[in-house]
Amino acid sequence: EPEVTQTPSHQVTQMGQEVILRCVPISNHLYFYWYRQILGQKVEFLVSFYNNEISEKSEIFDDQFSVERPDGSNFTLKIRSTKLEDSAMYFCASSESNLLAHFGNGTRLTVT
Amino acid sequence: AQRVTQPEKLLSVFKGAPVELKCNYSYSGSPELFWYVQYSRQRLQLLLRHISRESIKGFTADLNKGETSFHLKKPFAQEEDSAMYYCALTSRGNTGKLIFGQGTTLQVKP
Repeated sequence: EPEVTQTPSHQVTQMGQEVILRCVPISNHLYFYWYRQILGQKVEFLVSFYNNEISEKSEIFDDQFSVERPDGSNFTLKIRSTKLEDSAMYFCASSESNLLAHFGNGTRLTVT
Repeated sequence: AQRVTQPEKLLSVFKGAPVELKCNYSYSGSPELFWYVQYSRQRLQLLLRHISRESIKGFTADLNKGETSFHLKKPFAQEEDSAMYYCALTSRGNTGKLIFGQGTTLQVKP
């Protein structure tokens, strides 16, 4: 069964550095998402992406965040200048329609 | 406001006992409700969606619009059911954004 893959599985970075989290969605999927889960808290929506543009974003997704689909297969989340509070598990998801999201294994981001 | 509430952080039962994981929601339109499961060190996986009305791994969930609930049930718990369970909703016609509850850890003891 095809899967959403995310790399790296764990990323450690220093405060103020830029990070790029990478995702390869399932190949025929058209909708793409990023979610995050701070330790001990609920999974929170960050952004959705469809037809090469952001279709919805949450208030968490401020100017420090951006997403790209650079080559038709990858879907990336960039955090320009990381803060301690960005430490979380970041999940990528994709779906064929907008109703059945398939999730990746997540990237654990640790900001020190 | 759109909200999903799972009141129990942890539910611990013995193998063979019935299980009910509670989920209540608040949504102004017509939501689609889901249950996702996350086994240890694995990805979030879709377990059930209300519209399909199916039973997966012995689990069922019925949407009760009057009580705004979507509780997950299984008559006889198995040890392999131990996992984190998340209730989530989205709305038809929107971007597919999922709103999650806090999650309930189900622990099935032998």
